[in-house]
Amino acid sequence: TQLLEQSPQFLSIQEGENLTVYCNSSSVFSSLQWYRQEPGEGPVLLVTVVTGGEVKKLKRLTFQFGDARKDSSLHITAAQTGDTGLYLCAVNYNFNKFYFGSGTKLNVKP
Amino acid sequence: DSGVTQTPKHLITATGQRVTLRCSPRSGDLSVYWYQQSLDQGLQFLIQYYNGEERAKGNILERFSAQQFPDLHSELNLSSLELGDSALYFCASSVESGYGYTFGSGTRLTVV
Repeated sequence: TQLLEQSPQFLSIQEGENLTVYCNSSSVFSSLQWYRQEPGEGPVLLVTVVTGGEVKKLKRLTFQFGDARKDSSLHITAAQTGDTGLYLCAVNYNFNKFYFGSGTKLNVKP
Repeated sequence: DSGVTQTPKHLITATGQRVTLRCSPRSGDLSVYWYQQSLDQGLQFLIQYYNGEERAKGNILERFSAQQFPDLHSELNLSSLELGDSALYFCASSVESGYGYTFGSGTRLTVV
């Protein structure tokens, strides 16, 4: 069993559509990060969530940390082609061991 | 430019050889992390150094080793290379653990 389960694995949508991707676990975390990675590049940090129930917005992206701090979601409003990429969630677990989910590969078609 | 510099960008080498990957962290960051990313394994945490000291170990093979120097740059040494070691190797840095990292653009290692 993976520590972090991300769903869906793949998502292909038209420009202008809304979407939500999920990062789930049975473990509790003190914080969780979301990254976007483009092919051949390193992941880029989008947000860190710390408090249960926390909602953070970054332009058209809305991030939520579950009340129990076990899961998180990323919602994109009116997706654009520039949103295409691999979305990864990551946590610091077991003191200084860092784990990334396997990601959601998003393709936004023009 | 993320501020984390990795060299070289690409590396092609033969099985059995040894290579060294280099990373300069973002200015002010004391922690350096190494990750391996392959198609079937995703991003795997290898090792963390903090201000020159090893802080945490992940799934790092015994053939791999790393160190962080007084100027805070880090090197990842990969020896007795196998075909399965072909992957992207990323370095990341942070001020503190758990609050997100800044990644470099990676070294693509191809073992032939």
